[in-house]
Amino acid sequence: AQKVTQAQTEISVVEKEDVTLDCVYETRDTTYYLFWYKQPPSGELVFLIRRNSFDEQNEISGRYSWNFQKSTSSFNFTITASQVVDSAVYFCALSEYSGGGADGLTFGKGTHLIIQP
Amino acid sequence: AAGVIQSPRHLIKEKRETATLKCYPIPRHDTVYWYQQGPGQDPQFLISFYEKMQSDKGSIPDRFSAQQFSDYHSELNMSSLELGDSALYFCASSSQGWNSPLHFGNGTRLTVT
Repeated sequence: AQKVTQAQTEISVVEKEDVTLDCVYETRDTTYYLFWYKQPPSGELVFLIRRNSFDEQNEISGRYSWNFQKSTSSFNFTITASQVVDSAVYFCALSEYSGGGADGLTFGKGTHLIIQP
Repeated sequence: AAGVIQSPRHLIKEKRETATLKCYPIPRHDTVYWYQQGPGQDPQFLISFYEKMQSDKGSIPDRFSAQQFSDYHSELNMSSLELGDSALYFCASSSQGWNSPLHFGNGTRLTVT
């Protein structure tokens, strides 16, 4: 079963619109971390945010905000007043605790965000 | 700030050849991860090392091997290359293991012809 689901394959909006990227995860662990990464056309993976399973406080960083709700197993990402430079593929990822090992992240399939001028 | 360094940036190999990808983690990071990202796909976890010991193994083919050296750099060795191995290979590093953000390098784009 897919552990991280990003149902939106592609989203296209006009510049200055607000846009929300959805992420739903599945885990049996009570201790886990959730991440968002941005992959611009140049290809690198840029870390945006990390959230642990015990902290449901929403976070805002400039035009970016994240809404973590354990009740619905969701960790959604909103960009306010979008800009063309926000165009990229955005990945949501999950890291589960398996006893201290360096476990790899499980990524969602990604959402391709297109911001049109 | 220093980032994760991967070399080479681009690599072209023929089928059945071997390839070696190198990764230099951020200083004082003790954990290295390797990921493979096919065209239009999400990154898939291959293998990780913590303090020079293999820590976790994902979907890494038996034709691939990796190790982490005493200076914490890591190498991914790929043998008997197949067309399907063409992908972007990312290395990431972190400190304190599983619960720290992974910082990714810019990747090595491998093309197998």
